[in-house]
Amino acid sequence: DQQVKQNSPSLSVQEGRISILNCDYTNSMFDYFLWYKKYPAEGPTFLISISSIKDKNEDGRFTVFLNKSAKHLSLHIVPSQPGDSAVYFCAASEIQGAQKLVFGQGTRLTINP
Amino acid sequence: NAGVTQTPKFQVLKTGQSMTLQCAQDMNHEYMSWYRQDPGMGLRLIHYSVGAGITDQGEVPNGYNVSRSTTEDFPLRLLSAAPSQTSVYFCASSSSGWGDQPQHFGDGTRLSIL
Repeated sequence: DQQVKQNSPSLSVQEGRISILNCDYTNSMFDYFLWYKKYPAEGPTFLISISSIKDKNEDGRFTVFLNKSAKHLSLHIVPSQPGDSAVYFCAASEIQGAQKLVFGQGTRLTINP
Repeated sequence: NAGVTQTPKFQVLKTGQSMTLQCAQDMNHEYMSWYRQDPGMGLRLIHYSVGAGITDQGEVPNGYNVSRSTTEDFPLRLLSAAPSQTSVYFCASSSSGWGDQPQHFGDGTRLSIL
């Protein structure tokens, strides 16, 4: 039973436009949601997070939105740049669960010039 | 500024062999974890530790063993390798257990079991 799901394996976006990556979860005990970015042959790197008590968190070009009632979150990247091409993982944790992240399957984002 | 260092980067084993994947961090983090990444399945938690001498099982612990004798090191042992353990293994660490503390990942060990 997959607790965190990213239903789009891939997404292609034109440079300068908005990229929207989606994530759904089933476990109501999750308190934090994190997005990681992964390049080939490297480990995931932290991008942005959001607490379950918030509905939006922004950091530069990256914004994460949380709809707790729908158990859905999304990552917006505006404007998209070629260096944003990577695999993006959505992850979730309970309040004291930083060491026990639950990951989605990942979405491969390709930014086209 | 090494962060989390994993060795080796690549390894090929035969079925039944044992080996240890090494993980070391230089950030004095108490919390460390091992994940495996398989195609189309994201990362899944194998074992984790909340400090030296304290370990616990994650989602997919069978066939793996861990110990944590120092804060810096968290090795993962494959007891008797099986083809199903072919995967990319990631070690991670964080400064606290609070869920908003991001984990820092190593670059992974790509393991093939023949």
